[in-house]
Order: sequence, then C-alpha cells, then structure tokens
Amino acid sequence: DTGVSQDPRHKITKRGQNVTFRCDPISEHNRLYWYRQTLGQGPEFLTYFQNEAQLEKSRLLSDRFSAERPKGSFSTLEIQRTEQGDSAMYLCASSSGPSGLLYFGPGTRLLVL
Amino acid sequence: QKEVEQNSGPLSVPEGAIASLNCTYSDRGSQSFFWYRQYSGKSPELIMFIYSNGDKEDGRFTAQLNKASQYVSLLIRDSRPSDSATYLCAEAVSYNTDKLIFGTGTRLQVFP
Repeated sequence: DTGVSQDPRHKITKRGQNVTFRCDPISEHNRLYWYRQTLGQGPEFLTYFQNEAQLEKSRLLSDRFSAERPKGSFSTLEIQRTEQGDSAMYLCASSSGPSGLLYFGPGTRLLVL
Repeated sequence: QKEVEQNSGPLSVPEGAIASLNCTYSDRGSQSFFWYRQYSGKSPELIMFIYSNGDKEDGRFTAQLNKASQYVSLLIRDSRPSDSATYLCAEAVSYNTDKLIFGTGTRLQVFP
C-alpha cells in the first residue's frame, strides 16, 4: 500500500509563469484534498474532490488556481500567472472519507522568483 | 467560523520528560480532533485522533479531549530528541467529514 505521492517535489519559477502539480492519492481513497502551507502557519484548505467531482473550493482560491481530477484518480493543481505570494508548500491529502483519516503526501515546494 | 488555536512555542523539554501540547477550539459543537507531527521541511504525519471526551492512549502518546472546556491536548511520555518537530492540532469542519481546519502548530524541542 503506497502512500500519497506528489510531483514535482520542488519547483522554482519566475513570476508570471504557469505551473502544474500532480497528486496521486492512496489507491482506494475516493477523496482528495489540496492544502497550502506557508512558513509558520498550519495547512490551509484550498479544494477537495470526491471521485472526479470538485465539491468545494476555498474563497481564498483565486481564479488563477484550477484543479482537476478527471478520472477520479490522480489530480492536478495549476497556478496561472504565478505571483511571489504563491510561494508555499502545496500539500495533497487523501482519505476514504467521509469521516476518514486524512493522509498527506510529501508536498510540492513552490518558489516564485 | 471555526478556529483552532495553539501556542507557537517553542516548547523545550529535557529528554525523558513528558511534553504537553495544548490546543483550544472555538466551536462547542466540534467533535473530531487530530494531531499531526511535522518535521522541518516535511509534510504532516497523522499521529493521533480523538472523538470522545477523555483520554486515548497509543504507545507514548496520549490525546485528551475536554469538550466542556473546549481544549485538546497531546501528551508525549518519555520524550526523545527525535520527537522534536511541530505538532499541528486539527478539527473536522463538521461531523461526518474529513475536511480539517488546522492550528498554526506548536514547535517542540527535546534536548538531550
């Protein structure tokens, strides 16, 4: 039973560029979450999917952010026209939900120059 | 608006001591609470969860929930330098959900 995986683990980009991150959840988990974490803060909810349906998006998620989970398996998070304020750790988590336990992947650390 | 509050620390304890980490929450109706450990530069790792008032023990870890006072604690017995990490407290947004709201975390330092 492999855990949640994320790719890439690190990404450095220039302001204005687009970036895309991938998350592969634990295979039997139907719920997938994206969180963002900045230094000294706890993870902050961005969005989540149940199977292929995106059920909720945080109001903090600007229209530059989009997430997909086309076949109910892996998910992608895209950030368009990156800004320096987007620099953070982007965490993916999955669960067998609802009321399941949430398990995090290793995260993708984004640095926008 | 649900909120989870933690003292950012650092909390420094000597090796072998009991480390006590505390968390308070704003919503009296909250029912499910979780403790995650996060090493520097790594992602959060689930270590304990508790749903009922009282204590729940797992090895050296004990989670305590007091709904009347709206606090959750994590006790780490026989602390080791390898326990040095940030401990995140989280609560489920509502009953029967796995969406979590996190506190800012408490940094624990265990010195030899």
